[in-house]
Amino acid sequence: SQQGEEDPQALSIQEGENATMNCSYKTSINNLQWYRQNSGRGLVHLILIRSNEREKHSGRLRVTLDTSKKSSSLLITASRAADTASYFCATVGVSGNTGKLIFGQGTTLQVKP
Amino acid sequence: DAGVTQSPTHLIKTRGQQVTLRCSPKSGHDTVSWYQQALGQGPQFIFQYYEEEERQRGNFPDRFSGHQFPNYSSELNVNALLLGDSALYLCASSLFQGSSTDTQYFGPGTRLTVL
Repeated sequence: SQQGEEDPQALSIQEGENATMNCSYKTSINNLQWYRQNSGRGLVHLILIRSNEREKHSGRLRVTLDTSKKSSSLLITASRAADTASYFCATVGVSGNTGKLIFGQGTTLQVKP
Repeated sequence: DAGVTQSPTHLIKTRGQQVTLRCSPKSGHDTVSWYQQALGQGPQFIFQYYEEEERQRGNFPDRFSGHQFPNYSSELNVNALLLGDSALYLCASSLFQGSSTDTQYFGPGTRLTVL
């Protein structure tokens, strides 16, 4: 079963706008990761945030983590048509599950030129 | 430096048949994980191999089995195929450091269709 739920399921914006995707999860985590998937192919790792971190930046990406609410958000600023893809959050548990990623169902982002 | 490679790209089988999917990890990586992704869903963890042994397993039946070779490449075998096994099968490799933050690098996947 999936660990988390992502919201919204689909998002359509214009180029240059910001896109925000949210992820909620159920159990305690060691870290949370965001991945991008283009056209049903392989996943690309975007960013990892540890459970003791609250915010992290990478280029146009900003990720926040609220462990009290068991939620995370991914913000893509100044979006581009090339950002069109599905975005997944994935969690790693706190004990004995090194490398086992538990994915949410994903948000499909469409950026219109 | 080659990334993670998977073969074949696409595969069509009929119910009851058996299938073998292959994965070569990124150069320098020693751990391989397999995921199943149904259409419109997130990937689900099948199992992980390190030092030629299955280290962790997700909630998948015994029809799903795997193997890791001394060169770290891996195979996923599925027996007695069901229609519900139709999915994209993803392989991910990483360098085992005993850390939960090992970044996994995914291959392009194998699209399996069961008729």
